[in-house]
Order: sequence, then structure tokens, then C-alpha cells
Amino acid sequence: EDKVVQSPLSLVVHEGDTVTLNCSYEVTNFRSLLWYKQEKKAPTFLFMLTSSGIEKKSGRLSSILDKKELFSILNITATQTGDSAIYLCAVSTSGTYKYIFGTGTRLKVLA
Amino acid sequence: DSGVTQTPKHLITATGQRVTLRCSPRSGDLSVYWYQQSLDQGLQFLIHYYNGEERAKGNILERFSAQQFPDLHSELNLSSLELGDSALYFCASSAQGIEAFFGQGTRLTVV
Repeated sequence: EDKVVQSPLSLVVHEGDTVTLNCSYEVTNFRSLLWYKQEKKAPTFLFMLTSSGIEKKSGRLSSILDKKELFSILNITATQTGDSAIYLCAVSTSGTYKYIFGTGTRLKVLA
Repeated sequence: DSGVTQTPKHLITATGQRVTLRCSPRSGDLSVYWYQQSLDQGLQFLIHYYNGEERAKGNILERFSAQQFPDLHSELNLSSLELGDSALYFCASSAQGIEAFFGQGTRLTVV
């Protein structure tokens, strides 16, 4: 059965800290790995990764994929209170183009 | 604004009833996905439609059904509702397995 596992489940840090969120997966017909941020309602797209070893970066957020070891990490540097959210990792599969989500990491950044 | 529209935003109904949730995908997106998110749970994949045809099914209960119409909007029908069906129901759309964009969700409360 396809599965995506995220760790830690939750994390509390102080502003300015750097955090690393983990996502491991076991799926058939891997196509891409995606990161989303969910604040109050709808998840919003952050990154899509398809190739191993190539870092994607957007401001203080960056992510990288390891297709051999089947995991990805999402780094957030110099965290701010506005980074407080649930971070969701999803894997899309080819063929059915299904997106399988992990349970998410709940990040709380304290001022 | 993701471009995905879901109605209604909130729904309160009694056990045993039937409801219909509606989703209009982003312009041009042929794929529509339905997800259920219960309290402190990740996004549980329910079903995927592509251009009117069912592509993949997740852990969707037999009491639930969905369809995608020729104009590409989709409806999720939930019947014989139980208290445990209370959740946020998200619709997402994508173009050929690229990143999925989420609607704001319908919060269903069964009393």
C-alpha cells in the first residue's frame, strides 16, 4: 500500500530558529513529491520535486529530494511566527496521477 | 485565490441525511480530486476524476459517491450521514499531475 510518513508530528520553536521537516515515502510509480503549507483552511502549494539532489528554494524555505533513499526534507531558516502552520508532504503517482498525503507536521513558532 | 471554488463553505446537517458538495476546478484543469480531513488528521484521498471518468479511488465509503460533469465541475454526495463523517472536505484540481490546487473546503458538521 502506498504511504507517506512525515516527522516530527509537531514542533515548537522560537523565532529565528532553523527547522527541518522530514518526509519519507513508499509508493509505486513515483512521479513527484510536493510540499504544501496549511494555515487556516486550504493547503497552499510550496514546492514540487521530481529529481534527486536538486534543491528548490523560495526565500527562507528550501527542499530537496532523495529518490534512492525515498525521502525529502523541507528546511525553514530564520523562522517567523507567520511560518506557524501544518506542513504537508504529498507524493503523486503516474498513471492515476493520485496524490497521497502524509499526516503533516504541525509547526508552531513562538515570538 | 487558487481558482478552485467549493460550495457551500459550511454545512450542518443531521445524522441519516444526504448532502451534496460541489467543486468547480481551475479553468482548464481536467483532474478533480476529493479529500477528507478530520480533526488532527492528514488529507485522506477519496476519489479522482479526469475529464469525466473515475481514475482512482481511495478509502471512500460506499455511502459516498462522486461524479464529474461535462463542464468539469464535480459533486461529492454523502448519504446516510454519521457523526464520524464530520470533517473538512477539500476538492483539488490539477493539469496532468502537476501541482494540485485546493479549494477552501466545505466544513461538514453532522449533529
